[in-house]
Amino acid sequence: AQTVTQSQPEMSVQEAETVTLSCTYDTSESNYYLFWYKQPPSRQMILVIRQEAYKQQNATENRFSVNFQKAAKSFSLKISDSQLGDTAMYFCAFMHSSNYQLIWGAGTKLIIKP
Amino acid sequence: EAQVTQNPRYLITVTGKKLTVTCSQNMNHEYMSWYRQDPGLGLRQIYYSMNVEVTDKGDVPEGYKVSRKEKRNFPLILESPSPNQTSLYFCASSWTGAAETQYFGPGTRLLVL
Repeated sequence: AQTVTQSQPEMSVQEAETVTLSCTYDTSESNYYLFWYKQPPSRQMILVIRQEAYKQQNATENRFSVNFQKAAKSFSLKISDSQLGDTAMYFCAFMHSSNYQLIWGAGTKLIIKP
Repeated sequence: EAQVTQNPRYLITVTGKKLTVTCSQNMNHEYMSWYRQDPGLGLRQIYYSMNVEVTDKGDVPEGYKVSRKEKRNFPLILESPSPNQTSLYFCASSWTGAAETQYFGPGTRLLVL
């Protein structure tokens, strides 16, 4: 069974710093998708970034980028120039391409300090 | 405005009293899903639906039922709620599958006494 592990329950950094959130997953499959979702205090779930496993190039969305290491089964999220509005829970999620179940990590609480 | 709506947003009920949480999307999405979120466990998928009249179990389907009679609606039914179903519930939808961007509803906080 696929599992997703986020080893950092909580992190805090100063505004404008760069922070990296880690995520590892376990699967025997070769085709899958990986996601990072953000959940601010409003509880709304927001997609941050998405990576297709067959693509070697790391996905990037403005200040958010991933370091996808397929062999190591690692999918970390880097937030550059962090802002107060980045304070939120961040969830890593995995989906195999042949079914449509999303497997989620337990989340990392990120606090950006002014 | 494109959105996923859930009702009610908050619900307190007692053990055994049947309840339904509604979910509706106005984006003509084919895929819809229900999740529960519990502290320290992240989100867990309860049920999902690829299209009308097509539903499948997720990781934690026990104690829940769903139906997909119309494309826009995907209600979650708790026939006999128990305290261990106290949780925060999210409905989500996307175009063709979970690989596409999922749009989440605002969440329903359920307390079963």
